[in-house]
Amino acid sequence: ETGVTQTPRHLVMGMTNKKSLKCEQHLGHNAMYWYKQSAKKPLELMFVYNFKEQTENNSVPSRFSPECPNSSHLFLHLHTLQPEDSALYLCASSQGRGGPYNEQFFGPGTRLTVL
Amino acid sequence: TQLLEQSPQFLSIQEGENLTVYCNSSSVFSSLQWYRQEPGEGPVLLVTVVTGGEVKKLKRLTFQFGDARKDSSLHITAAQPGDTGLYLCAGYWGGATNKLIFGTGTLLAVQP
Repeated sequence: ETGVTQTPRHLVMGMTNKKSLKCEQHLGHNAMYWYKQSAKKPLELMFVYNFKEQTENNSVPSRFSPECPNSSHLFLHLHTLQPEDSALYLCASSQGRGGPYNEQFFGPGTRLTVL
Repeated sequence: TQLLEQSPQFLSIQEGENLTVYCNSSSVFSSLQWYRQEPGEGPVLLVTVVTGGEVKKLKRLTFQFGDARKDSSLHITAAQPGDTGLYLCAGYWGGATNKLIFGTGTLLAVQP
């Protein structure tokens, strides 16, 4: 059983579509994250949730809307995206609120293509 | 702003060769983590270094944290095709935040 799962694994959408990415963690962690991974750019943190509360929004455009109904599930709602939003979207989870040994466990990602 | 610069960006070597990947910053970090990401997967943690000057070994991989805690290196001895992947360093600034700053990445290909 994998610790962090993401669905769908691949998504192609038009700029006028609305879609959602789903992440689920089976590790009993309290923190969940959304990252964007684009070619030739470092992994970019988008949002952080601790105990279902959003604690970090890294200046992400409002066309990305996160939702964390409980500590095990995290969603990223997408609407009116741009082609430059095409990327690999990674979800991660960790135990606790920081600390140098706070390991983040990543899901396999959703490869998003915006046409 | 690039806070963690990795070099080289790409590396293609033959099986059995040694290599070193560098992670440099002008900022001081409380700790430095190294992750490896294989195609179609998310990054997986390899090691965390916390103390300036610390050296950790994981089989053929040796990790070092700079004395000033601004840089780190990853050395692989006798590389194998299974070492192929994207290597990412990630810095933690400390405090109550669990935010990591990831490096630019080094893509390693080990040819059999």
